[in-house]
Amino acid sequence: QKEVEQDPGPLSVPEGAIVSLNCTYSNSAFQYFMWYRQYSRKGPELLMYTYSSGNKEDGRFTAQVDKSSKYISLFIRDSQPSDSATYLCASSRGSTLGRLYFGRGTQLTVWP
Amino acid sequence: GAVVSQHPSRVICKSGTSVKIECRSLDFQATTMFWYRQFPKKSLMLMATSNEGSKATYEQGVEKDKFLINHASLTLSTLTVTSAHPEDSSFYICSARGTDPAYGYTFGSGTRLTVV
Repeated sequence: QKEVEQDPGPLSVPEGAIVSLNCTYSNSAFQYFMWYRQYSRKGPELLMYTYSSGNKEDGRFTAQVDKSSKYISLFIRDSQPSDSATYLCASSRGSTLGRLYFGRGTQLTVWP
Repeated sequence: GAVVSQHPSRVICKSGTSVKIECRSLDFQATTMFWYRQFPKKSLMLMATSNEGSKATYEQGVEKDKFLINHASLTLSTLTVTSAHPEDSSFYICSARGTDPAYGYTFGSGTRLTVV
């Protein structure tokens, strides 16, 4: 079993839709949870960063972590065509930031 | 915010030659750098982790004599693909981590290597 599982999609939604992206993880020691956005042929860029459980909101993006179910979510409100990209969830264990374990990434297309 | 500069963005080389990829942290000190390889529509595969001034730690299955990593300073790490073969063609990405976990890991823009 991989450390972090993520449905690769692809996911296609109309502009303005609410997008829900999800990951599950298997290691109870994971403490840090991140979402990265990657445009084609570019390096990933950090979208959201969460420590332990809870929600975090930044503009149209909300990240949720449920450690009891080992579930990580990213919600995008009022999605835009510019949100079209691959979204990667990642987790890290321990009290200090160790190596990242990535999901496969979900390819999202938002059509006008 | 934290910025990592990776060069070159694209390189084409002949089989048997070596290619060096540079990764620089521009506005923070990168205590640890990570090198990844990414295949089309696949996730990032960690190749090695390097701490400044130390030898890199390679993941299982990654040939350390083929993928030479140097992290000589807190702002620069290099990956050299030696005696490149067509199967080494891939997208290589570096990532740098400083001391502030709030920044997470900052990634370079990637290098598309094509070996012909």
